[in-house]
Amino acid sequence: ILNVEQSPQSLHVQEGDSTNFTCSFPSSNFYALHWYRWETAKSPEALFVMTLNGDEKKKGRISATLNTKEGYSYLYIKGSQPEDSATYLCASYNTDKLIFGTGTRLQVFP
Amino acid sequence: DVKVTQSSRYLVKRTGEKVFLECVQDMDHENMFWYRQDPGLGLRLIYFSYDVKMKEKGDIPEGYSVSREKKERFSLILESASTNQTSMYLCASRTRALGYQYFGPGTRLTVT
Repeated sequence: ILNVEQSPQSLHVQEGDSTNFTCSFPSSNFYALHWYRWETAKSPEALFVMTLNGDEKKKGRISATLNTKEGYSYLYIKGSQPEDSATYLCASYNTDKLIFGTGTRLQVFP
Repeated sequence: DVKVTQSSRYLVKRTGEKVFLECVQDMDHENMFWYRQDPGLGLRLIYFSYDVKMKEKGDIPEGYSVSREKKERFSLILESASTNQTSMYLCASRTRALGYQYFGPGTRLTVT
């Protein structure tokens, strides 16, 4: 089983701060990387699917980059808001199965 | 709007009981998945199904079985529940290989 690791485990920021977190994954046999947001009492929701080295994706204030050669992806949140509070999961495909990291729990304080 | 539903949000069962967790998706997806999530661990794959009547073991299938009699429904069965199966269970479906997975809201199962 390949290891997908995320850091930090948790993060507390003030409203308006920008923040970022890391996902690292084995670079060999890479197929795709997913980012999900999981708010308390809700379903995990897909943010991005990334497949190409150098990919950058953006959705509003959230963006992500991908480096498949060195095996990492960054998720950035610009101007964090309390509604961004959630656990952010990344997952990498191992053949046809998604392997998830343990997540980064973000709390944004007003 | 894509929807994956799970039969219960919270469930409390006794050790040794047979437990059924139901998942239904309305998107005509072929692939469906069952995960469990425990503190400090990532989502771990229990079983998945590529299509009706098909099933594949995931990374932690011991103590579980599944049933996929209809395309929209994927059931997880705990044959004889044990306390170490207390967990959050999430169902997911996807439309194609390597695509997004759409998750249900989860069932928090407690086995006493």
